Amino acid sequence: EPEVTQTPSHQVTQMGQEVILRCVPISNHLYFYWYRQILGQKVEFLVSFYNNEISEKSEIFDDQFSVERPDGSNFTLKIRSTKLEDSAMYFCASTPWTVQPSTDTQYFGPGTRLTVL
Amino acid sequence: KQEVTQIPAALSVPEGENLVLNCSFTDSAIYNLQWFRQDPGKGLTSLLLIQSSQREQTSGRLNASLDKSSGRSTLYIAASQPGDSATYLCVLGGGADGLTFGKGTHLIIQP
Repeated sequence: EPEVTQTPSHQVTQMGQEVILRCVPISNHLYFYWYRQILGQKVEFLVSFYNNEISEKSEIFDDQFSVERPDGSNFTLKIRSTKLEDSAMYFCASTPWTVQPSTDTQYFGPGTRLTVL
Repeated sequence: KQEVTQIPAALSVPEGENLVLNCSFTDSAIYNLQWFRQDPGKGLTSLLLIQSSQREQTSGRLNASLDKSSGRSTLYIAASQPGDSATYLCVLGGGADGLTFGKGTHLIIQP
């Protein structure tokens, strides 16, 4: 069964460094998402992406964050200058195309645990 | 802003019991409601999806109901098994702006 994959599974970085988290969505899906979950807290929406542009973003997704689909398979989340509070589990998700994408479930990857020291 | 509350936060029951997890939400303007399962070190798995026009969905031993007017949903698990141990998340779909998650119910099924 097709699945969303994410790399790396765990990333440790120093405060102020740039990190890129990578995701490979399911191949025939067209909507992509990033979420984060700070330890002990709810999963929070960051951004949705469709047709090579951001569709929606939350207030968490500030200028330090960016997303890109550099080729036909990868979907990346970049954090330009990491802060301690960026430490979290980051989940990628994708959903197949329909007229109303929100009627579809989203398929989640296993997550990348980001630790900022 | 949509708020999702799940009760209880944690639950531990002996194997074989039937149980109910509760979810409440503040804004009834939703596209759908899902129940996800979260296992440590793994991703989030959708168990059941109820469209806004539906009242319930069933899959195996799981049954989820939706009452939009009262802002409530329940997840019923029949004949619980140790493999059901996980965190169960109530999740609302509201469009391309992503999903809104509850904090979850941490469920432990004792063998």
